[in-house]
Amino acid sequence: AQSVSQHNHHVILSEAASLELGCNYSYGGTVNLFWYVQYPGQHLQLLLKYFSGDPLVKGIKGFEAEFIKSKFSFNLRKPSVQWSDTAEYFCAAEESYIPTFGRGTSLIVHP
Amino acid sequence: KAGVTQTPRYLIKTRGQQVTLSCSPISGHRSVSWYQQTPGQGLQFLFEYFSETQRNKGNFPGRFSGRQFSNSRSEMNVSTLELGDSALYLCASSPTSGRAGELFFGEGSRLTVL
Repeated sequence: AQSVSQHNHHVILSEAASLELGCNYSYGGTVNLFWYVQYPGQHLQLLLKYFSGDPLVKGIKGFEAEFIKSKFSFNLRKPSVQWSDTAEYFCAAEESYIPTFGRGTSLIVHP
Repeated sequence: KAGVTQTPRYLIKTRGQQVTLSCSPISGHRSVSWYQQTPGQGLQFLFEYFSETQRNKGNFPGRFSGRQFSNSRSEMNVSTLELGDSALYLCASSPTSGRAGELFFGEGSRLTVL
């Protein structure tokens, strides 16, 4: 069965700091990869997704993620975070139409 | 366009009871999937329905069941509730079947089992 690991459970940064959240998945075949975000009091929404092609994908609000097949990784990055990026971030891998989510990373950005 | 609507938003039940949760997808979306979210296990996939048929199922016991109606609205039912069933139950809709990138989530139904 697929598993998704998010290495950082809690991350605290100051505004303008750079962000990288780790995500590793277990399946060696074809997977679709996603990052979702849940802002305080809001529902989960898609940040970005990778199906195929360019391994560097860009999402909303300046986020990007890089798919590295050899490392089974799909890390999320942002060069300069803002206070409004405070949220919970979930990595997900879809194999055979079934999504598996990581346990999430809580990001707090101090102004 | 209205989003995914889940009812009720909060409910409290006791062990052994059963519960039914409802989800109205975005208009035109034919796929509805359900997830359980807990602090310990994170988000776990329960099942997905498309055009009234269960397409995929996660690794949950048979106490968890669901159905989808002809108007794409979906219900999930949990019978013989256990304390461990306390969780946020999320519903997501999609215009197609089984493509997680196109999921639109509701705000969830928070179930507390006493």
